[in-house]
Amino acid sequence: AAGVIQSPRHLIKEKRETATLKCYPIPRHDTVYWYQQGPGQDPQFLISFYEKMQSDKGSIPDRFSAQQFSDYHSELNMSSLELGDSALYFCASSPRGHIYGYTFGSGTRLTVV
Amino acid sequence: GDSVTQMEGPVTLSEEAFLTINCTYTATGYPSLFWYVQYPGEGLQLLLKATKADDKGSNKGFEATYRKETTSFHLEKGSVQVSDSAVYFCALSEEGGADGLTFGKGTHLIIQP
Repeated sequence: AAGVIQSPRHLIKEKRETATLKCYPIPRHDTVYWYQQGPGQDPQFLISFYEKMQSDKGSIPDRFSAQQFSDYHSELNMSSLELGDSALYFCASSPRGHIYGYTFGSGTRLTVV
Repeated sequence: GDSVTQMEGPVTLSEEAFLTINCTYTATGYPSLFWYVQYPGEGLQLLLKATKADDKGSNKGFEATYRKETTSFHLEKGSVQVSDSAVYFCALSEEGGADGLTFGKGTHLIIQP
């Protein structure tokens, strides 16, 4: 079965650079979520989209932005990168509604040097 | 706001031992509850879920019962295996599913042969 696809798997950037992470949800999943997981930490919710509109916002820094496109894929754009942005970034998708739970992608490991 | 509290790790057990990982939650409404498992270097995988009080989620020998009266969702397994070694996250999602998941801090489980 198709899963949530994230790209790239690994990314190394220098401080103050920008990065774009991509997420391709499971077909027919209309909701996409982004999470940030620091080393040894629990995942923190960043932002979600439903039907291409921002649905909810968590602890996403102002330097980050995201959007969902007409094909339901989503991109997380990160600017003025800081060392503290180094983390695993997970995307998850679900059909609308909490009872289904979410399916997570394998994540993008971002390292800022 | 919503929160999830789970027992701190690491939890170290011998193979075939009985496992309990405690999880309690605070939520304003009637959330759905989840257990996710994360193996080293991998994404989060849904282990089991429960959507209403007294529901029991089960998968791969793991079980958890949604206890509204004690706001708990403890994870249990009768006989653990070395392959169960991973980090386990308890999580909740409020009604409607628009919000992201709220995770506990994770419990690192180590099973020794």
